[in-house]
Amino acid sequence: QKEVEQNSGPLSVPEGAIASLNCTYSDRGSQSFFWYRQYSGKSPELIMFIYSNGDKEDGRFTAQLNKASQYVSLLIRDSQPSDSATYLCAASAGGTSYGKLTFGQGTILTVHP
Amino acid sequence: SQTIHQWPATLVQPVGSPLSLECTVEGTSNPNLYWYRQAAGRGLQLLFYSVGIGQISSEVPQNLSASRPQDRQFILSSKKLLLSDSGFYLCAWETVNTEAFFGQGTRLTVV
Repeated sequence: QKEVEQNSGPLSVPEGAIASLNCTYSDRGSQSFFWYRQYSGKSPELIMFIYSNGDKEDGRFTAQLNKASQYVSLLIRDSQPSDSATYLCAASAGGTSYGKLTFGQGTILTVHP
Repeated sequence: SQTIHQWPATLVQPVGSPLSLECTVEGTSNPNLYWYRQAAGRGLQLLFYSVGIGQISSEVPQNLSASRPQDRQFILSSKKLLLSDSGFYLCAWETVNTEAFFGQGTRLTVV
């Protein structure tokens, strides 16, 4: 059974700090990995995706992928109270379809002023 | 630009009643369409996906069914709801080499 595991948290960081969110996956056939942010009562919105080993940066966000260790992470620099949300890690078998996703249970992040 | 519409936003239904949730996508052709469910305090679980009209794949056995009568319309149904069907239902779409975009969701409470 394909599984994606996340530390459910909650993770609490002060404003301006770096928040580090981690995710592991069991299916070595997974090709692409996604980080979604979900505010309470809202639908998920995509933050970043990564499919190559290494780091990928987009503004304050950096995604890291290590396929050998089956490990994905998301770093949020200069965390803001508006970053407080649940962060969902998801894996896709890839190909040309990125919508068939296996999600982790999510990590609750709280950024306090 | 592409948009996805999902309705209703909230729904309270008695046990044993039928269900119909609708999702439509605008601004794209031949999208892949997905139904996900998020139970309270849990991650999203893929229920159904469709790569074309009339083509439905089910990921988990359950009390629900899906249909795709038109290219950009995806419907989730049940003949008789169970308490365990309560949750946040999300429709998503994607096309070749794009990420998945989610609708605003329907919060279903079965009482």
